[in-house]
Amino acid sequence: EVQLVESGGGLVQPGGSLTLSCAASGFTFSSYAMTWVRQAPGKGLEWVSAIGSSGSSTYYADSVKGRFTLTRDNSKNTLHLQMNSLRAEDTAVYFCVKDDGTGPAGEFDYWGQGTLVTVSS
Amino acid sequence: EIVLTQSPATLSLSPGERATLSCRASQSVSSYLAWYQHKPGQAPRLLIYDASNRATGIPGRFSGSGSGTDFTLTISSLEPEDYALYYCQQRSNWPPTFGQGTKVEMK
Repeated sequence: EVQLVESGGGLVQPGGSLTLSCAASGFTFSSYAMTWVRQAPGKGLEWVSAIGSSGSSTYYADSVKGRFTLTRDNSKNTLHLQMNSLRAEDTAVYFCVKDDGTGPAGEFDYWGQGTLVTVSS
Repeated sequence: EIVLTQSPATLSLSPGERATLSCRASQSVSSYLAWYQHKPGQAPRLLIYDASNRATGIPGRFSGSGSGTDFTLTISSLEPEDYALYYCQQRSNWPPTFGQGTKVEMK
């Protein structure tokens, strides 16, 4: 059974940093691209960032480019999203998502339950 | 980026009724469209990929159709567990984008 478990969310002040992690199990992690999607309160889903299966290619939404960094550790089946210079508009539930391909293709076949990030003073 | 517009925003139906949800793209996405079900506090679930293919374990009452710019998700006979938010998503153009969602609520 595919499982994606996010952690690391919480309350952070504007301008602060936070690192989200996603622990994956139930599939060959190193064979698939991974993605983060977020949902702000009362809003729809927004793609945030993606990483290829080897970790050598990363992609970011314009809204987070230069502030967020996505990495993966294929030896530990984990995904990490380093978020810097956080803004109020980054407040959202962040979902870890498995892509059904080696390179990000936007085929989101499994999702985690999400972790809440709140940016507020 | 491609904008997806879902309609209606809310659908109020009784169990056993047929639900028809629409998703319109601002430009052609070919058949690269997926549908997800999302219940509060749960992980979103992939229902349909590439416009008309049911994902693993999805009941036959869910079906998808369409191509180009107009797509439909149909739930043939609503079960109590089907009341949820439904999102469409395109992967034809990068970045992938989502519709704003349709809420299926019990009448």
